[in-house]
Amino acid sequence: QSALTQPASVSGSPGQSITISCSGASSDVGGYKFVSWYQQHPGKAPKLVIYDVSNRPSGISNRFSGSKSGNTASLTISGLQAEDEADYYCSSYTSSSTLRLFGGGTKLTVL
Amino acid sequence: QLQLQESGPGLVKPSETLSLTCTVSGDSISTTKYYWDWIRQPPGKGLEWIGSIFYSGSTYYNPSLKSRVTISVDSSKNQFSLRLNSVTAADTAVYYCARYSSSPHNWFDPWGQGTLVTVSS
Repeated sequence: QSALTQPASVSGSPGQSITISCSGASSDVGGYKFVSWYQQHPGKAPKLVIYDVSNRPSGISNRFSGSKSGNTASLTISGLQAEDEADYYCSSYTSSSTLRLFGGGTKLTVL
Repeated sequence: QLQLQESGPGLVKPSETLSLTCTVSGDSISTTKYYWDWIRQPPGKGLEWIGSIFYSGSTYYNPSLKSRVTISVDSSKNQFSLRLNSVTAADTAVYYCARYSSSPHNWFDPWGQGTLVTVSS
């Protein structure tokens, strides 16, 4: 099973909104409501920011939101702040329930 | 609060075996709710799932690494471990352990801080 497809980079100015896409297949992203997103700052471990497509864990800003359409999931960050500059990874449940899939990662630059 | 901590050698010679341990604190590893996973990240690259273990000992591996990977659990120590044999420079990476929930909610959380393993003679 191939990795999920994310854009290599996105950028936005403070206060703006950006969206990061995560494309998969009907056997993963499109088939389940189980897409999660992780934020990773340089030298740090990934941190869960969205689970089950659109749910935020406790403590995560409501500026982070998730959605899904067909085989593509999206992470939207509104009101961009300098601290949002990081790498973002998506992950999805798959039809082979014993496997885990990650996207290739997207580098977010806050201009 | 659940915490995970990786430990093990930071330098491994080519063709030898990489061995890491993840110590879980704040909750029992012997839970029917979660899996315990290993994930790695080569320098400057993305995340790669290595494998997973359930408290019962059932294991699941990335097909691309399956022939070289063994994950085990020691419930008495609240630890799970990774062994990767016949390593090469391509196995140089930061190795993370993480708790994985399959259902009813699906996520990796929390993650350990990660440990860099360099494969070099």
